[in-house]
Amino acid sequence: DQQVKQNSPSLSVQEGRISILNCDYTNSMFDYFLWYKKYPAEGPTFLISISSIKDKNEDGRFTVFLNKSAKHLSLHIVPSQPGDSAVYFCAAYSGGGADGLTFGKGTHLIIQP
Amino acid sequence: DSGVTQTPKHLITATGQRVTLRCSPRSGDLSVYWYQQSLDQGLQFLIHYYNGEERAKGNILERFSAQQFPDLHSELNLSSLELGDSALYFCASRPGTYSGNTIYFGEGSWLTVV
Repeated sequence: DQQVKQNSPSLSVQEGRISILNCDYTNSMFDYFLWYKKYPAEGPTFLISISSIKDKNEDGRFTVFLNKSAKHLSLHIVPSQPGDSAVYFCAAYSGGGADGLTFGKGTHLIIQP
Repeated sequence: DSGVTQTPKHLITATGQRVTLRCSPRSGDLSVYWYQQSLDQGLQFLIHYYNGEERAKGNILERFSAQQFPDLHSELNLSSLELGDSALYFCASRPGTYSGNTIYFGEGSWLTVV
């Protein structure tokens, strides 16, 4: 049972445009959500997070939106840059995270010149 | 640089052998997590230690074990290795187990079993 789902294995976006990566979850106990960026053979790098009590969090070019009623979150990157090409993982935890993060399978974002 | 250090970065070993992967968490972080990433799988949670004590287990095989030492570094022991154990093993750390604490990952240890 996949509790965090990223239904798009890959996404191609033109440089300078907006990239929108989506994530759905099924566990209503999740209270904290994070996005990580990962290059091949490297560790995931933390990008941005959001608490379940908020619906938006912004950090520079990155904005995460949370729709609790739909159990959906999205990561917006604007403007997209070539260095943004990577795999993006949506992750979540509940109850302080003792059970660790539950990850989606990732979306490979490709920024085209 | 996340501040989480993992060694070795690469390791090749034969089936049936045993290996130990080592992790030094960020300075001051009490929680250490281990994750496995195989070719076809996402990041799978293996085990969590907090200040030397096991807090939670995920999809960790009985052939695998871990511990966290008084200086807070952690080791993941993999024994009776099989070809399917070939994967990237990540360690991650965070200060505690409060909501809002971000979990930071190391660069990973790439294990190849031949």
